[in-house]
Amino acid sequence: SQTIHQWPATLVQPVGSPLSLECTVEGTSNPNLYWYRQAAGRGLQLLFYSVGIGQISSEVPQNLSASRPQDRQFILSSKKLLLSDSGFYLCAWSVGLAAKNIQYFGAGTRLSVL
Amino acid sequence: AQSVTQLGSHVSVSEGALVLLRCNYSSSVPPYLFWYVQYPNQGLQLLLKYTTGATLVKGINGFEAEFKKSETSFHLTKPSAHMSDAAEYFCAVIPPTGNQFYFGTGTSLTVIP
Repeated sequence: SQTIHQWPATLVQPVGSPLSLECTVEGTSNPNLYWYRQAAGRGLQLLFYSVGIGQISSEVPQNLSASRPQDRQFILSSKKLLLSDSGFYLCAWSVGLAAKNIQYFGAGTRLSVL
Repeated sequence: AQSVTQLGSHVSVSEGALVLLRCNYSSSVPPYLFWYVQYPNQGLQLLLKYTTGATLVKGINGFEAEFKKSETSFHLTKPSAHMSDAAEYFCAVIPPTGNQFYFGTGTSLTVIP
């Protein structure tokens, strides 16, 4: 069966520090991968998605970047965190680009920038 | 462009009462529709989805939703609320030819004993 792992579960970082969040998927090949951010009291915002190794699409301009060094690994990064980067970050995967394909979510990383 | 509206950011119901969470979408072409649930500090779990076929769909934990094209709605219901239903619920849509989900802002459900 397929599983998705995100770590760390929680993270407290000072403003201006770097960030690296990792997401890995097991049990499937060539998944589509997604990074979402959920700010307090708000819905989910798609940040990045990837349909293959080295292929990253950004949905909104921001202080963050994403990379996909391996088929089932998706990394969210920042060189210098801002206060506004605080939030709950969710990684998700799906198989294929058909719209009816379900997205499966990881448990999330809660990031607090102080 | 797609948009999803969830009326009521907070809904409270008594245990055993009907749960009704509203979702309306804005799209020229009927999208595929999903409901997800998020328990505190956890990721999202799929409750149910509608793509084609029967407009009343049943999901996990006794939830169901009905797609009404004329009303551009996909409201989530459960006949009898349980304490364990307390969570955040998200409606999401995706165009039939797209690959990006559009999420509503979520509805926090509180169940009162």
